[in-house]
Amino acid sequence: EIVMTQTPISLSVTPGQPASISCKSSQSLRYSDGKTYLYWYLQKPGQPPRLLIYEVFNRFSGVPDRFSGSGSETDFTLKISRVETEDVGIYYCMQNAHLPPITFGQGTRLEIK
Amino acid sequence: QVQLVQSGGEVKKPGASVKVSCKTSGYIFTNYIMFWVRQAPGQGLEWIGTIDPSGGGTTYSQRLQARLTLTRDVSTSTAYMELTRLRSEDTAVYYCTSMLTFWGQGTLVTVSS
Repeated sequence: EIVMTQTPISLSVTPGQPASISCKSSQSLRYSDGKTYLYWYLQKPGQPPRLLIYEVFNRFSGVPDRFSGSGSETDFTLKISRVETEDVGIYYCMQNAHLPPITFGQGTRLEIK
Repeated sequence: QVQLVQSGGEVKKPGASVKVSCKTSGYIFTNYIMFWVRQAPGQGLEWIGTIDPSGGGTTYSQRLQARLTLTRDVSTSTAYMELTRLRSEDTAVYYCTSMLTFWGQGTLVTVSS
């Protein structure tokens, strides 16, 4: 089973400032088709996760361009260029390159200062 | 637009079974894999199983495979998750998610004597 490790566990950011979340996998997430199956989600209280980024760096429809994803193989990063108050919640990375099982990071809680 | 609407919350006693439905609309049901994910109170996300609506093929988490059954009804574009021999640790919000992109609203299953 691939283990996904996120850091930090939590962060507090002033609106307008950048934020960065790291996600490391225990094995490369590059699949035999050449794609890398690393996703990022944001979950707000009482809501299902919302897809932000798929396949490392592709923003999903409607996701603001202040969100960006990068990385390769086992090291990945989600960046928010200028945090807004609506960005609070828990961010999860997820892999489905090697399944079963699909595995998630433990989550990173973003709060506003 | 794509919608996944799940059945309502359930309260069950230990040893009972629960069946959660996930009715889809806005896309071709048989074209996309359906995943099920659960989230215990205050905890992270856990993948529990996957079903291919086209042929009905399933994959289950090792942890639950003896108690979990995923099915689908193509005529109504609905997926189902049934968990038997419930334990207190099965208390969680259960989500269906199509393509890991579109998510149902979640169904809280509470197991308590």
